[in-house]
Amino acid sequence: QVQLVQSGSELKKPGASVKLSCKASGYTFTDHAINWVRQAPGQGLEWMGWITTDTGSPTYAQDFTGRFVFSLDTSVSTAYLHITSLEAADTAVYYCARAVTGYWFFDLWGRGTLVSVSS
Amino acid sequence: EIVMTQSPATLSVSPGEEATLSCRASQSMSGNLAWYQQKPGQAPRLLIYGASTRATGVPARFSGSGSGTEFTLSISSLQSEDSAVYYCQQYNDWLAFGGGTKVEIK
Repeated sequence: QVQLVQSGSELKKPGASVKLSCKASGYTFTDHAINWVRQAPGQGLEWMGWITTDTGSPTYAQDFTGRFVFSLDTSVSTAYLHITSLEAADTAVYYCARAVTGYWFFDLWGRGTLVSVSS
Repeated sequence: EIVMTQSPATLSVSPGEEATLSCRASQSMSGNLAWYQQKPGQAPRLLIYGASTRATGVPARFSGSGSGTEFTLSISSLQSEDSAVYYCQQYNDWLAFGGGTKVEIK
């Protein structure tokens, strides 16, 4: 069925890196951009940016430049979020979400990946 | 960037009554506004897009309205399963979510 399957929870130490995955199935991967959304514990949703799945071009929201990198492997219909130099403030659930073609709202979400950063 | 402000932060409503949630934009925008429902431990779910169009499978008791800077999500005849946090999201100028409104059932 149509779904986005995200990788499992991660526990990392400050300063480490992590790479999360988001595998699409049930639809043509390159027809829809993939967005990333962060949700810190007990907080609201923060849009991090998107990557176009036809060209692999990433766009980052202002607060997510530098340590955050979006990438793709279209051969396996998978998007990735790589976060470097992890800080405690990066502790959050990270969602991938599919954008409706031609628009920037999200009709399909992954279940989220919890990243915990603690020494 | 258009900033979205939701009110109230928490809304307590009795079953069968109507809930009205507000989302205000920092500047006038077209109808590029979506609403999502998020239940504890779950991913958000798209309810409304284009300010007033229900997404596939969304019950008719959910309706969206508004224009300019003021947008509203109404939930008529509230049911227990509607207990959740609701977020608005503008996609008119970049992208931004509101802070959310928690709907509680009395």
